[in-house]
Amino acid sequence: GAVVSQHPSWVICKSGTSVKIECRSLDFQATTMFWYRQFPKQSLMLMATSNEGSKATYEQGVEKDKFLINHASLTLSTLTVTSAHPEDSSFYICSARGGGGNYGYTFGSGTRLTVV
Amino acid sequence: QKEVEQDPGPLSVPEGAIVSLNCTYSNSAFQYFMWYRQYSRKGPELLMYTYSSGNKEDGRFTAQVDKSSKYISLFIRDSQPSDSATYLCAMSDNQGGKLIFGQGTELSVKP
Repeated sequence: GAVVSQHPSWVICKSGTSVKIECRSLDFQATTMFWYRQFPKQSLMLMATSNEGSKATYEQGVEKDKFLINHASLTLSTLTVTSAHPEDSSFYICSARGGGGNYGYTFGSGTRLTVV
Repeated sequence: QKEVEQDPGPLSVPEGAIVSLNCTYSNSAFQYFMWYRQYSRKGPELLMYTYSSGNKEDGRFTAQVDKSSKYISLFIRDSQPSDSATYLCAMSDNQGGKLIFGQGTELSVKP
Protein backbone atom coordinates (compact mmCIF):
# COMPACT_ATOMS: atom_id res chain seq x y z
CA GLY A 1 0.00 0.00 0.00
CA ALA A 2 0.88 3.66 -0.17
CA VAL A 3 3.53 4.76 2.31
CA VAL A 4 4.56 8.20 3.47
CA SER A 5 7.87 8.38 5.26
CA GLN A 6 8.18 11.29 7.70
CA HIS A 7 11.46 12.33 9.33
CA PRO A 8 12.59 12.96 11.91
CA SER A 9 10.21 11.19 14.26
CA TRP A 10 11.27 13.44 17.07
CA VAL A 11 13.53 16.46 17.41
CA ILE A 12 14.64 18.76 20.19
CA CYS A 13 15.93 22.18 19.26
CA LYS A 14 16.93 25.38 20.95
CA SER A 15 14.69 28.40 20.91
CA GLY A 16 15.45 30.63 17.93
CA THR A 17 16.71 27.88 15.64
CA SER A 18 14.94 26.38 12.63
CA VAL A 19 13.83 22.82 12.15
CA LYS A 20 12.99 21.03 8.92
CA ILE A 21 10.56 18.11 8.72
CA GLU A 22 10.45 15.96 5.60
CA CYS A 23 7.70 13.84 4.16
CA ARG A 24 8.36 11.51 1.26
CA SER A 25 5.87 9.43 -0.64
CA LEU A 26 7.71 6.17 -1.24
CA ASP A 27 5.66 4.41 -3.86
CA PHE A 28 3.36 7.00 -5.36
CA GLN A 29 3.33 10.57 -6.52
CA ALA A 30 1.86 12.93 -3.97
CA THR A 31 0.09 15.62 -5.91
CA THR A 32 -1.19 17.27 -2.75
CA MET A 33 0.30 17.32 0.73
CA PHE A 34 -1.48 18.40 3.89
CA TRP A 35 0.36 19.47 7.04
CA TYR A 36 -1.28 19.13 10.44
CA ARG A 37 -0.44 20.08 13.97
CA GLN A 38 -1.68 18.14 16.96
CA PHE A 39 -1.51 19.10 20.63
CA PRO A 40 -1.76 16.42 23.35
CA LYS A 41 -5.23 14.90 23.56
CA GLN A 42 -6.47 17.20 20.81
CA SER A 43 -7.42 16.68 17.23
CA LEU A 44 -5.43 17.31 14.08
CA MET A 45 -5.54 20.92 13.02
CA LEU A 46 -4.83 21.58 9.37
CA MET A 47 -2.04 24.09 8.92
CA ALA A 48 -1.64 24.22 5.17
CA THR A 49 -2.26 22.48 1.88
CA SER A 50 0.41 22.32 -0.78
CA ASN A 51 0.28 21.20 -4.36
CA GLU A 52 3.43 20.19 -6.17
CA GLY A 53 5.07 23.18 -7.78
CA SER A 54 2.72 25.73 -6.24
CA LYS A 55 2.74 27.92 -3.19
CA ALA A 56 1.10 26.43 -0.15
CA THR A 57 -2.34 27.55 0.99
CA TYR A 58 -2.32 28.30 4.69
CA GLU A 59 -5.26 28.04 7.05
CA GLN A 60 -6.42 31.10 8.87
CA GLY A 61 -4.20 31.95 11.81
CA VAL A 62 -1.17 30.02 10.57
CA GLU A 63 1.89 32.21 10.00
CA LYS A 64 3.23 31.38 6.56
CA ASP A 65 6.55 33.09 7.28
CA LYS A 66 7.05 30.94 10.33
CA PHE A 67 5.95 27.63 8.88
CA LEU A 68 7.61 27.38 5.48
CA ILE A 69 6.29 24.65 3.24
CA ASN A 70 8.03 23.46 0.12
CA HIS A 71 6.57 20.90 -2.26
CA ALA A 72 9.10 21.01 -5.04
CA SER A 73 8.63 17.45 -6.26
CA LEU A 74 5.89 14.87 -6.44
CA THR A 75 7.56 12.74 -3.80
CA LEU A 76 8.86 15.27 -1.28
CA SER A 77 7.35 18.01 0.83
CA THR A 78 9.06 19.81 3.68
CA LEU A 79 7.87 21.91 6.59
CA THR A 80 10.39 24.26 8.15
CA VAL A 81 9.61 25.80 11.51
CA THR A 82 11.65 29.00 11.55
CA SER A 83 12.86 30.75 14.68
CA ALA A 84 11.21 28.12 16.81
CA HIS A 85 9.83 28.98 20.23
CA PRO A 86 8.62 26.74 23.04
CA GLU A 87 5.00 27.35 22.01
CA ASP A 88 5.80 25.70 18.68
CA SER A 89 6.40 22.43 20.51
CA SER A 90 3.84 20.02 19.12
CA PHE A 91 3.24 16.90 17.05
CA TYR A 92 3.39 17.62 13.31
CA ILE A 93 1.88 15.19 10.81
CA CYS A 94 1.84 15.22 7.03
CA SER A 95 -0.73 13.58 4.81
CA ALA A 96 -0.31 12.96 1.12
CA ARG A 97 -2.94 12.68 -1.54
CA GLY A 98 -2.27 10.75 -4.70
CA GLY A 99 -1.69 7.26 -3.44
CA GLY A 100 -4.90 5.78 -4.81
CA GLY A 101 -5.40 3.46 -1.91
CA ASN A 102 -6.98 4.71 1.32
CA TYR A 103 -9.03 6.95 -0.92
CA GLY A 104 -6.05 9.16 -1.49
CA TYR A 105 -5.04 10.10 2.06
CA THR A 106 -1.88 8.55 3.46
CA PHE A 107 -0.49 9.87 6.71
CA GLY A 108 3.10 10.06 7.85
CA SER A 109 4.08 8.77 11.27
CA GLY A 110 4.44 12.25 12.72
CA THR A 111 7.25 14.36 14.18
CA ARG A 112 7.35 15.38 17.80
CA LEU A 113 9.03 18.76 18.08
CA THR A 114 10.24 20.04 21.43
CA VAL A 115 11.69 23.54 21.59
CA VAL A 116 13.73 24.28 24.68
CA GLN B 1 -19.67 25.67 17.39
CA LYS B 2 -17.10 23.28 15.94
CA GLU B 3 -17.83 21.79 12.54
CA VAL B 4 -17.27 18.30 13.92
CA GLU B 5 -18.01 17.30 17.50
CA GLN B 6 -16.66 14.14 19.09
CA ASP B 7 -16.76 13.07 22.72
CA PRO B 8 -13.11 12.94 23.80
CA GLY B 9 -13.73 10.27 26.42
CA PRO B 10 -11.72 8.59 27.79
CA LEU B 11 -13.77 5.45 27.26
CA SER B 12 -12.82 2.28 29.12
CA VAL B 13 -14.42 -1.08 28.33
CA PRO B 14 -13.71 -4.72 29.17
CA GLU B 15 -12.30 -7.01 26.53
CA GLY B 16 -15.03 -8.45 24.32
CA ALA B 17 -17.39 -5.50 24.74
CA ILE B 18 -19.08 -3.71 21.88
CA VAL B 19 -17.80 -0.17 21.52
CA SER B 20 -19.79 2.67 20.02
CA LEU B 21 -18.02 5.85 18.92
CA ASN B 22 -19.89 8.82 17.52
CA CYS B 23 -19.48 12.17 15.84
CA THR B 24 -21.91 14.90 14.94
CA TYR B 25 -21.33 17.59 12.38
CA SER B 26 -22.90 20.80 11.23
CA ASN B 27 -21.85 21.14 7.58
CA SER B 28 -24.47 19.50 5.36
CA ALA B 29 -22.00 19.59 2.45
CA PHE B 30 -19.89 16.81 3.95
CA GLN B 31 -20.12 13.73 1.73
CA TYR B 32 -17.04 11.68 2.63
CA PHE B 33 -16.71 10.22 6.09
CA MET B 34 -13.75 8.43 7.58
CA TRP B 35 -12.66 6.86 10.83
CA TYR B 36 -9.01 6.80 11.76
CA ARG B 37 -7.18 5.02 14.55
CA GLN B 38 -4.20 6.70 16.11
CA TYR B 39 -1.80 5.05 18.50
CA SER B 40 0.20 7.23 20.84
CA ARG B 41 2.81 9.33 19.03
CA LYS B 42 1.95 7.84 15.65
CA GLY B 43 0.18 9.09 12.55
CA PRO B 44 -3.49 8.19 11.99
CA GLU B 45 -4.33 5.06 10.03
CA LEU B 46 -7.55 4.70 8.07
CA LEU B 47 -10.08 2.22 9.45
CA MET B 48 -13.25 2.91 7.53
CA TYR B 49 -14.38 5.09 4.67
CA THR B 50 -17.98 5.82 3.73
CA TYR B 51 -19.44 7.96 1.01
CA SER B 52 -22.79 9.59 1.77
CA SER B 53 -25.28 7.74 3.97
CA GLY B 54 -25.38 4.08 4.82
CA ASN B 55 -23.54 1.32 6.59
CA LYS B 56 -20.24 -0.34 5.88
CA GLU B 57 -18.79 -3.38 7.60
CA ASP B 58 -15.21 -4.61 7.69
CA GLY B 59 -14.45 -7.44 10.06
CA ARG B 60 -15.18 -6.31 13.60
CA PHE B 61 -15.77 -2.73 12.51
CA THR B 62 -19.02 -1.18 11.27
CA ALA B 63 -19.38 2.42 10.17
CA GLN B 64 -22.74 4.13 9.91
CA VAL B 65 -23.60 7.49 8.40
CA ASP B 66 -26.93 9.24 8.90
CA LYS B 67 -26.78 12.42 6.88
CA SER B 68 -30.31 13.44 7.83
CA SER B 69 -29.20 13.63 11.45
CA LYS B 70 -25.64 14.69 10.66
CA TYR B 71 -24.42 11.81 12.78
CA ILE B 72 -21.83 9.12 12.16
CA SER B 73 -20.88 6.10 14.23
CA LEU B 74 -18.20 3.46 14.45
CA PHE B 75 -18.95 0.16 16.16
CA ILE B 76 -16.25 -2.23 17.28
CA ARG B 77 -17.37 -5.75 18.08
CA ASP B 78 -15.47 -8.14 20.33
CA SER B 79 -13.09 -5.38 21.35
CA GLN B 80 -9.49 -6.36 22.05
CA PRO B 81 -6.77 -4.71 24.16
CA SER B 82 -4.98 -3.98 20.88
CA ASP B 83 -7.91 -1.74 19.95
CA SER B 84 -6.82 0.66 22.69
CA ALA B 85 -6.05 3.88 20.84
CA THR B 86 -7.55 7.22 19.95
CA TYR B 87 -10.26 7.10 17.31
CA LEU B 88 -10.78 10.14 15.12
CA CYS B 89 -13.66 10.82 12.81
CA ALA B 90 -12.94 12.91 9.75
CA MET B 91 -15.01 14.25 6.92
CA SER B 92 -14.76 16.21 3.72
CA ASP B 93 -17.10 17.87 1.28
CA ASN B 94 -15.18 16.60 -1.72
CA GLN B 95 -12.97 13.64 -2.51
CA GLY B 96 -9.38 14.61 -2.01
CA GLY B 97 -10.21 17.87 -0.29
CA LYS B 98 -9.12 18.85 3.15
CA LEU B 99 -10.32 16.75 6.03
CA ILE B 100 -12.03 18.15 9.08
CA PHE B 101 -11.29 16.03 12.14
CA GLY B 102 -13.19 15.44 15.32
CA GLN B 103 -11.37 15.81 18.61
CA GLY B 104 -10.78 12.08 18.92
CA THR B 105 -12.03 9.57 21.49
CA GLU B 106 -9.48 7.82 23.64
CA LEU B 107 -10.44 4.16 24.03
CA SER B 108 -8.99 1.71 26.50
CA VAL B 109 -9.91 -1.97 26.32
CA LYS B 110 -9.06 -3.79 29.54
CA PRO B 111 -8.10 -7.49 29.47
